[in-house]
Amino acid sequence: KAGVTQTPRYLIKTRGQQVTLSCSPISGHRSVSWYQQTPGQGLQFLFEYFSETQRNKGNFPGRFSGRQFSNSRSEMNVSTLELGDSALYLCASSVDGANTDTQYFGPGTRLTVL
Amino acid sequence: AQTVTQSQPEMSVQEAETVTLSCTYDTSESDYYLFWYKQPPSRQMILVIRQEAYKQQNATENRFSVNFQKAAKSFSLKISDSQLGDAAMYFCAYRSAFQGAQKLVFGQGTRLTINP
Repeated sequence: KAGVTQTPRYLIKTRGQQVTLSCSPISGHRSVSWYQQTPGQGLQFLFEYFSETQRNKGNFPGRFSGRQFSNSRSEMNVSTLELGDSALYLCASSVDGANTDTQYFGPGTRLTVL
Repeated sequence: AQTVTQSQPEMSVQEAETVTLSCTYDTSESDYYLFWYKQPPSRQMILVIRQEAYKQQNATENRFSVNFQKAAKSFSLKISDSQLGDAAMYFCAYRSAFQGAQKLVFGQGTRLTINP
């Protein structure tokens, strides 16, 4: 079974632009979570989607948004990029988001904001 | 809010030796899950081991085992017979057991180096 895939793997943008990152979960998984990883703040939870609905949200500004499609693929959007948004963005999928689930991570998208 | 602390930013061990990585956490919840994830240079986060708080028995996965001390809120990872492929960043993580809670709270990580 294929793992979690994320596209693109690397991205360079300039301040003020917007960006969309994509995550395809493991087949059969319906929950997708997003995390931001930076050297200063470490790994921080952004949000989780289940059945096309945002179910949990971390403490990030409204510039960070996401959505999930009927095939469970998820996209994350960041508008009006700031230098501090440079990070590795990881997505993780699990079967149905039950608290017994284990989350499996993708390889990440490295975003650089210039 | 829950917090996870890894007090060892870096650790090193000789190949074939045993190393223990420390993790403490703070929570007011009684039921939760704890995890150790490994992140090699490829950046892919890989689950190493998982522990349910309601289970007193320490989890074990091959060369990896944990020492879970619920009262002390401590969750250390022991790696036996260290191998070169074990070199990575190791993250301790907490997740609430509340239904639908998917948020993982991570520690800052411990960089493990294996010396040949």
